[in-house]
Parts: sequence; C-alpha cells; structure tokens
Amino acid sequence: DVKVTQSSRYLVKRTGEKVFLECVQDMDHENMFWYRQDPGLGLRLIYFSYDVKMKEKGDIPEGYSVSREKKERFSLILESASTNQTSMYLCASTAAREQYFGPGTRLTVT
Amino acid sequence: RKEVEQDPGPFNVPEGATVAFNCTYSNSASQSFFWYRQDCRKEPKLLMSVYSSGNEDGRFTAQLNRASQYISLLIRDSKLSDSATYLCVVSTNTGGFKTIFGAGTRLFVKA
Repeated sequence: DVKVTQSSRYLVKRTGEKVFLECVQDMDHENMFWYRQDPGLGLRLIYFSYDVKMKEKGDIPEGYSVSREKKERFSLILESASTNQTSMYLCASTAAREQYFGPGTRLTVT
Repeated sequence: RKEVEQDPGPFNVPEGATVAFNCTYSNSASQSFFWYRQDCRKEPKLLMSVYSSGNEDGRFTAQLNRASQYISLLIRDSKLSDSATYLCVVSTNTGGFKTIFGAGTRLFVKA
C-alpha cells in the first residue's frame, strides 16, 4: 500500500518566516510533486521532480523553492512566507499514471 | 480559458438518482484522462481512468470524446457515501510531462 506522508497537517506561520514542508513516500517512486489547492482554482502545480537533485518549475513556482536530496523525500520551501501563500499544500508521487497524494498541510500565514 | 474546465456545482441529488459530470480540456495533445475523488478535508484519490472506448466500474461510467475534447462521469444509483468532490484530470507527455487538475465538481447526495 503506497504511503505518502507530510510533516504537518496544520501550520501557522508569520509573514516573512522561512517555512519548510516535508514529504516522504515509501514506494520508490521517481516522480514527486508539490501542489497548492485553493477554492475555485483546484490543484495548481508548484514544482515537480523526476529524480534525485532534479527539479522542474510548475505553473506557479514564484515564492517557492524545492529540494530533493533523497529519492523518497521532496521538500517545499517558502523563503519568506506571505499571506497569499495561505493555502492547502499537497504532495504527490507517481511511478506511472496514478498520482498518490499525501494528506495535505493546511498552512496559514498571518 | 482554463486548460481543464468543470462545472463547480454543487450538485444536490437524492439517494438513488443518476448524476452526470462533464469536463472539457483545451489541449488536443492530451493523452491520459482520469477522474479523482476528494472527500472533505482529505487528499484526492484515483477513482478511475478514462479510456477512448468508455469504461465502467460498478455504478460509475466514464466516457471520453477526443473530437470534442470532452470527458464525462456518470454515477448511477447514488449513495450517501458518493458525496465528495470529483476532479477531472488530464495528462500530456509531449514536450514534457504535465498533469492538469480541474477545479472539481461538488456532489451532495441526500437521504
């Protein structure tokens, strides 16, 4: 059974703070993704990675960076959190067609 | 225009009803199509893939019309447990791998 875990379910941070969101998958998947989900906008791709140390920008990378030092772990970094980054953040991994999602992190930036 | 468009709903239907969701996509080079289900405050999970010939899984039927760039999901004999948001998902693998999620259609099934 595929398992994707995220470091926190809920997080509250202040404007300007550096924020780390961690994602770990246990199925040896090559591809990993970070999305944010906002009402009426659906899931929007921030960054993805198809291998260790490889990363590609998604549709909305501004204000974010990522790190993939190990195959199972994909981190999303908000260098200086802003209120418009308040959202649900979902990590996913895939080997082929189906994407498996983590439970999500609801981030509030005040 | 959004790359994947869905009617946001909500759809409110009684138990036992048949309900249909529609989705259109703009990229004619799209190759793979899916319906995901997302329960309230949970992550999306794959419901079914969509094939050109149409496919059925119990009470759920998915259809694809490539000429019209249109995907549908039909749910027969709705159950209370079908209440969720249904996401239309389209993938391409030309010039780079890309998956686009629709914003979702919300379904409420009532007793």
